Amino acid sequence: KAGVTQTPRYLIKTRGQQVTLSCSPISGHRSVSWYQQTPGQGLQFLFEYFSETQRNKGNFPGRFSGRQFSNSRSEMNVSTLELGDSALYLCASSLPESSYEQYFGPGTRLTVT
Amino acid sequence: GENVEQHPSTLSVQEGDSAVIKCTYSDSASNYFPWSKQELGKRPQLIIDIRSNVGEKKDQRIAVTLNKTAKHFSLHITETQPEDSAVYFCAASTTAGNKLTFGGGTRVLVKP
Repeated sequence: KAGVTQTPRYLIKTRGQQVTLSCSPISGHRSVSWYQQTPGQGLQFLFEYFSETQRNKGNFPGRFSGRQFSNSRSEMNVSTLELGDSALYLCASSLPESSYEQYFGPGTRLTVT
Repeated sequence: GENVEQHPSTLSVQEGDSAVIKCTYSDSASNYFPWSKQELGKRPQLIIDIRSNVGEKKDQRIAVTLNKTAKHFSLHITETQPEDSAVYFCAASTTAGNKLTFGGGTRVLVKP
């Protein structure tokens, strides 16, 4: 079974721009969660989508948004990028009905200059 | 919201010795506690997890214990090997969804 995939793997953007990241979950997984990883703040939960609906939300500003499509693929968008948004963005997929075990994708490394 | 504290932040052990990492959580409704290992430049990977209705779980050289009353859980690695060197994260989940609150991570170095 193919694992979680994320595109692009690396991205360089300028302050003020916006960016869209994509995540394809493991086949059959309907829950997709997004996390931001930085050296200073560690791993922080952004949001979770299940059945095209946001089920959980972390404490990030409204510039961070996401969505999920009917095939469970998910995108997250960051508008008006700031230098502090530079991070590794990880998505994780899961079978929400089962053990909550989450399978992480390789991440997208976003650098904001 | 949930808060997870993890200690120590770094841990250096001699090959063959044991390593113990401790975490505390704040929300008594937390019911799922996974431990992940992240090697340099790679994604986090689940190594073991425990649920609130279980006090201890073991998988070969790795074990996790949970004390619900004290709201803390620990990871024990026995007979450490150089390939155990990595950053380890504890986490807690409180809802029916998949929102994990992570601890700050422990960088483990196993010296040969």
